[in-house]
Amino acid sequence: AQKITQTQPGMFVQEKEAVTLDCTYDTSDPSYGLFWYKQPSSGEMIFLIYQGSYDQQNATEGRYSLNFQKARKSANLVISASQLGDSAMYFCAMRDNLPGAQKLVFGQGTRLTINP
Amino acid sequence: ETGVTQSPTHLIKTRGQQVTLRCSSQSGHNTVSWYQQALGQGPQFIFQYYREEENGRGNFPPRFSGLQFPNYSSELNVNALELDDSALYLCASSLRQTGTDTQYFGPGTRLTVL
Repeated sequence: AQKITQTQPGMFVQEKEAVTLDCTYDTSDPSYGLFWYKQPSSGEMIFLIYQGSYDQQNATEGRYSLNFQKARKSANLVISASQLGDSAMYFCAMRDNLPGAQKLVFGQGTRLTINP
Repeated sequence: ETGVTQSPTHLIKTRGQQVTLRCSSQSGHNTVSWYQQALGQGPQFIFQYYREEENGRGNFPPRFSGLQFPNYSSELNVNALELDDSALYLCASSLRQTGTDTQYFGPGTRLTVL
């Protein structure tokens, strides 16, 4: 079974600093996808970035980048120049290729707080 | 915004009752997935619908059921509500094709069972 581990329950960072949120995963499937979502207090899960297991380069989307280390089975999210609006829960997820379905398996999340 | 909508926003029910939650998928998407998120936890997969058929289910009992309609909107029904069913229910839509199949989430329905 696929599993996602996020070991940082909470992170506190000063505004404008870069922050790295850790994610490790476990799977025996050679083909998989890794996702990061942001969940503000309102509850909606906001898609941030995707990395495919066969992608040669690390994914980037604006201030977000994904540090993908396949051999270590890690997919850390890096947020550059953090902003107050980045304060939220962050979830790492893996796409599980069930027969017919492609469910997401989520980690426990990391609560990020940006201090002014 | 993703274009995925859910109703109602909040709901309070008592144990033993039945509830129906609704989801409208993003335009052009043909797949809907439902997740349950208990307080302080990551979302857990309930089931997924593609072309009006359930094509995958997580570890949830049969009293959790669903429908997908020809316009790709979806319903989640929960019978015989239990206290542990109190959670945020998230709907996600996606376009089923080879590749990313990124799931885009709605704002959720917060269900409280008393």
